[in-house]
Amino acid sequence: KNQVEQSPQSLIILEGKNCTLQCNYTVSPFSNLRWYKQDTGRGPVSLTIMTFSENTKSNGRYTATLDADTKQSSLHITASQLSDSASYICVVSQFSGGYNKLIFGAGTRLAVHP
Amino acid sequence: DTAVSQTPKYLVTQMGNDKSIKCEQNLGHDTMYWYKQDSKKFLKIMFSYNNKELIINETVPNRFSPKSPDKAHLNLHINSLELGDSAVYFCASSLGAGVPYGYTFGSGTRLTVV
Repeated sequence: KNQVEQSPQSLIILEGKNCTLQCNYTVSPFSNLRWYKQDTGRGPVSLTIMTFSENTKSNGRYTATLDADTKQSSLHITASQLSDSASYICVVSQFSGGYNKLIFGAGTRLAVHP
Repeated sequence: DTAVSQTPKYLVTQMGNDKSIKCEQNLGHDTMYWYKQDSKKFLKIMFSYNNKELIINETVPNRFSPKSPDKAHLNLHINSLELGDSAVYFCASSLGAGVPYGYTFGSGTRLTVV
């Protein structure tokens, strides 16, 4: 069964601290892996997209890693800010029938406190 | 300036009614999508259109009918609404369907069926 599992479900950290979010997937055939940030009441916004051959990608203070052999990914947030409070969703794209189909994890809800 | 816009943002209606949600993108993208985000926060694909052609049609009750009058618009019509249809519905678009293009999501339509 094609699934994307994220941990932890929720996380509280203090402003300025770093944190790492985890994602495990069992999606096949794999096309690419994405991390999205979703603020409350808004749509998801793309942070990174990684294909099979990429094992790390950065976007400002966000760094995603991918181990396609173990089917694991992580999102590291450096020097957290209050505005980082949001849900972070791991999304794996399955290539099927000539098209990419996105399979979403349930997200990790991050709260950054002052 | 809004890239993917959905209307309405909130929709409260009674069981049995028929309602529509509209989506428009001004990005020049070829592919548009409807996603449903349930109470557990998973986003699941419902439909995808590429250049006005239906390419993804997941297991969705046939009370849901998408319509794409042109590639900038993808509307969702729902007949005979049920309590279980209550969710947040997101429209999204991407440059194409077959490669790892980024998706741009709308802000969502919160549908509440009473």
